[in-house]
Parts: sequence; C-alpha cells; structure tokens
Amino acid sequence: RKEVEQDPGPFNVPEGATVAFNCTYSNSASQSFFWYRQDCRKEPKLLMSVYSSGNEDGRFTAQLNRASQYISLLIRDSKLSDSATYLCVVNKSFNKFYFGSGTKLNVKP
Amino acid sequence: EAGVAQSPRYKIIEKRQSVAFWCNPISGHATLYWYQQILGQGPKLLIQFQNNGVVDDSQLPKDRFSAERLKGVDSTLKIQPAKLEDSAVYLCASSLVQGVNEKLFFGSGTQLSVL
Repeated sequence: RKEVEQDPGPFNVPEGATVAFNCTYSNSASQSFFWYRQDCRKEPKLLMSVYSSGNEDGRFTAQLNRASQYISLLIRDSKLSDSATYLCVVNKSFNKFYFGSGTKLNVKP
Repeated sequence: EAGVAQSPRYKIIEKRQSVAFWCNPISGHATLYWYQQILGQGPKLLIQFQNNGVVDDSQLPKDRFSAERLKGVDSTLKIQPAKLEDSAVYLCASSLVQGVNEKLFFGSGTQLSVL
C-alpha cells in the first residue's frame, strides 16, 4: 500500500469555481502534513502546511482528520493561475517526507 | 536568501553512459535529499543525508547509483551505467533540521533523458 494516495485527476473547472482535493495516508504515526504545488516542468513549492485545527491562507483552506488519516485542500474562486499539480506530502518521522502522485488541476476561462 | 542550487538543468546521454548531478543546499540546511520524479508521478526519495551521514538510502539502486555529501554541504549524485528507465527529473531538496514541522525546499531539478 502506498504511503500517500491522491486522486490524480485531472480536475477541469471554470474560473471562479470551488474545487476540493483529498489525500489519504497510511501511517498513523505521521507527524506533519503539507500541500505542495508543482507547475509544469518546475520544482514543487510549498503551498501550505496542514494543521489539526484546519488553516486558511486566502482562497486556500487545508484540513486534517487524524482519525480518518485524511487531508484535504479547498480552493475557492479558482483563478487561471491556480492550474498546476497539487502534491500531498506527509512527514512521518526524522524528516522522512512521502509524496502522493499529485492531483492535476486545470482552471479554464 | 539563495535557494537550492542544482546543475546541470538538462542532460541527454545514451544508455550505459555515466552521468553526475550536483546540488548545493540552502546555507545552514543540515538535511539534504535526492528525489527521482518520473513523469506523472510524485517525487520518490533516493537518498537522505543528515550533515555528511546517510540517514536513508533504502530506495537507492546501489548497483548503479551513488551519492556523496562531503563536508556536509554540497552533494553529487552519480548514475553508472544509465538505463532507459532512469529518464526522469532528479530533484535535490534541503531542510533546516530534523523537526516535526520542518519543510522541504527544492532546487529546479535536472531533467535526464537516457536514449
């Protein structure tokens, strides 16, 4: 079983739509959680950390459910510039980072 | 603050040739990682260094891949001999220390094509 699983998409949405991505992780001892964004032919860049209480950064909201081992990312009012692949990342221990395969988002005019 | 530096940006070689990639992490970052990212997949950890010691190399194909981090700063990753399936982007990343909320910072990667 993979450490981190994501729906690969693609999610094709119009500008202004709200879209949500989900991610599950297999190891209950996982300690910290992140969403990274990766543009085509670029390196992954940190979008936001995910905290148990949930956290928001502008149009982006991340949620963590430790009981269900589930992480989500909600994007409101999608922009064309949000088109990218979103990687779910889990830090298990000793800075061991495990990546999902990514969810591709296409925002269309 | 300077980011993670990697070179070369692109490399094209024939199978059975050798190739080397170089990485210089963010200044002061003790942990350095090499990831392999095949098109359409997430990054896969090849090797993790803490200072100049190896923390995890369980997924490194040691018959052909080697890596070193002399003096605990920059690092090289070598493939010898290369196979067609090694075609991928090789990403170097670094993080400050080992901690619960430490974040990864990536270099721009080396895109390797093996013909």
